[in-house]
Amino acid sequence: GQQVMQIPQYQHVQEGEDFTTYCNSSTTLSNIQWYKQRPGGHPVFLIQLVKSGEVKKQKRLTFQFGEAKKNSSLHITATQTTDVGTYFCAVRSNDYKLSFGAGTTVTVRA
Amino acid sequence: NAGVTQTPKFRVLKTGQSMTLLCAQDMNHEYMYWYRQDPGMGLRLIHYSVGEGTTAKGEVPDGYNVSRLKKQNFLLGLESAAPSQTSVYFCASRVRVNTEAFFGQGTRLTVV
Repeated sequence: GQQVMQIPQYQHVQEGEDFTTYCNSSTTLSNIQWYKQRPGGHPVFLIQLVKSGEVKKQKRLTFQFGEAKKNSSLHITATQTTDVGTYFCAVRSNDYKLSFGAGTTVTVRA
Repeated sequence: NAGVTQTPKFRVLKTGQSMTLLCAQDMNHEYMYWYRQDPGMGLRLIHYSVGEGTTAKGEVPDGYNVSRLKKQNFLLGLESAAPSQTSVYFCASRVRVNTEAFFGQGTRLTVV
């Protein structure tokens, strides 16, 4: 089964508001990746986090890796219609597998 | 540079028919993956390969077979299609572990 749990499954956001999506694991992770899939599209890599407590920013997106390396979050500020899509976290579940969470699907109300 | 190319993009099969999905990458990546995507289920790993001539089972391998005879190609086969295999299939590749994965455009398969 999937190695990580993502919450929430769906996020309905008013344009301009902030929101956060979470990715949780029961085991310590070596790293975590985040991907975005636009409606009708394919997943596209956003970022990789490796270090405990690491925080990385991409414009309005802030990614964080937990101190225990068992969870991660993606925070989006001032949501725009371009943020619509499904956000996945992905982890290395053994030496070579790349396993994805179920994703958080984001819709935006204008 | 085409990246990762999947063929075909759409297909309708009758129950019991067989087909092969082709994934081709031109980035000289070692690792290749096949996923299926169903509503609310995210991306589930079917099979993967860590190099030419190697394959391994993922989370949901039953009903599928794969081959990696050439480094650039990863084939996914359905020997006897079932309606439960109706899904969107994505291929991905990456140069090595802990690097970003590049995805193909997907194949939408319907089994009736």
